[in-house]
Amino acid sequence: EVVLTQSPATLSLSPGERATLSCRASQSVSSYLAWYQQKPGQAPRLLIYDASNRATGIPARFSGSGSGTDFTLTISSLEPEDFALYYCQQRSSWPRTFGQGTKVEIK
Amino acid sequence: EEQLVESGGGLVKPGGSLRLSCAASGFNFSSYSMNWVRQAPGKGLEWVSSISITSNNIYYADSVKGRITISRDNAKNSLSLHMNSLRAEDTAVYYCARDWSCVAGSCKSYGMDVWGQGTTVTVSS
Repeated sequence: EVVLTQSPATLSLSPGERATLSCRASQSVSSYLAWYQQKPGQAPRLLIYDASNRATGIPARFSGSGSGTDFTLTISSLEPEDFALYYCQQRSSWPRTFGQGTKVEIK
Repeated sequence: EEQLVESGGGLVKPGGSLRLSCAASGFNFSSYSMNWVRQAPGKGLEWVSSISITSNNIYYADSVKGRITISRDNAKNSLSLHMNSLRAEDTAVYYCARDWSCVAGSCKSYGMDVWGQGTTVTVSS
C-alpha cells in the first residue's frame, strides 16, 4: 500500500500569503496524484489531478507540481475562502490512498 | 448540473447491515467508474471501494473486504454499497465520487471530480 505523508499538519498564514503544501509517497506514484480541498461539513472538492492539472473551475492561484514521490500544492496568494483542509490522493495502485491532510488556518 | 445524492445512512447496531445508495444525474453515469470514500468523525478521508463502468473490475479496502459489496445499475443511474457485519469503526460519513471516464473504448481519469454530499452511518449499540 502506498502511504502518503503530508506536511506540515497545520499551516498558519495570513490572507495574501503564499501557501506551500507537501505530499510525499512511500513509493513512486508517477504523476498519478490529486489534491482535494475540504471545508467543514462539506464534501471534498477536486483541485488538481495528475499532479499538475487544475480541475474545471479551479482558480489559477492553485497549482500542483511534482512526480515520483514528492509533490507540492501551491496557493499563490491566499484568499479568505482558501482556509480549509487539503488532502492528496494517489491513483497509481490499489488500494487508493489519501494523505492525512494539511490544515491551512488563518494566522 | 452533474450531481450525486447519497441515501440510506442511519443508526445500526454492531453486527448489523445497511445498504447505501447513490443516485446520479446530469451526466452519463454509465461512462464513469465510481467510488465510495468515507470519513470517520474528526478523521481524514479513507477510500472504501471502486467499481468500473461494466462492474467487471471491483476493488475494496482491506478494512472492509468480505463485509462490503459495491454494485451499480447503469439503467437506473445508481450506485450501491451493501454493508454487513458492521463495526463501530465503520461509523463515518460515506461519500460516492465519480472517477474514470470511458468513451468509445478510451478511458481517462480526471480525478474524483464529482462528489455527493455524503450520508452518515453510525454503528452503535
